[in-house]
Amino acid sequence: GESVGLHLPTLSVQEGDNSIINCAYSNSASDYFIWYKQESGKGPQFIIDIRSNMDKRQGQRVTVLLNKTVKHLSLQIAATQPGDSAVYFCAETPPGNTPLVFGKGTRLSVIA
Amino acid sequence: EPEVTQTPSHQVTQMGQEVILRCVPISNHLYFYWYRQILGQKVEFLVSFYNNEISEKSEIFDDQFSVERPDGSNFTLKIRSTKLEDSAMYFCATATSRGNEQFFGPGTRLTVL
Repeated sequence: GESVGLHLPTLSVQEGDNSIINCAYSNSASDYFIWYKQESGKGPQFIIDIRSNMDKRQGQRVTVLLNKTVKHLSLQIAATQPGDSAVYFCAETPPGNTPLVFGKGTRLSVIA
Repeated sequence: EPEVTQTPSHQVTQMGQEVILRCVPISNHLYFYWYRQILGQKVEFLVSFYNNEISEKSEIFDDQFSVERPDGSNFTLKIRSTKLEDSAMYFCATATSRGNEQFFGPGTRLTVL
């Protein structure tokens, strides 16, 4: 079956360093990808998205990279702050469908 | 900034009881979704709803589940006879159109005893 997964379940970084969270997806036909941030007790919060016709997209302090050749998605957070501590999920949308398929999540811990 | 709201924030119920979870979508959104997240696990799709009917549903969404938009604003998820394994966070999400960003509500924590 199709799945979305994450390479690292936990990631600890020093405040001010850059963070990279990785995700592998298995449906090569997926055409839309989103990174969500989930803080404890809250719903997923949109961070950034990218469509399959792009390989890079930048937001404020965040960059998403898409490598369709190896079906890999990454989220880069520049100058990581304590407020970035959360669980990060990647999600994909297979073509023709609207529901998101989520990965299990990576917990990012920022060490002050 | 507009946001999706959900009530209640926490629902405790006895096994076999019916529960109704409520969501108020962002006003100009037309696509509605329910997801659930069992503690420590990933978010899983349940059902999508558009134009007053279900457009897609997962294998989790069996006959015990139903959705409706009774008054044009609230979007509800009903579980007719709750089971212990229904204990989870239930998230409502809404979007302006298919394939666009889905905005999530804060969730309802359902605890079935």
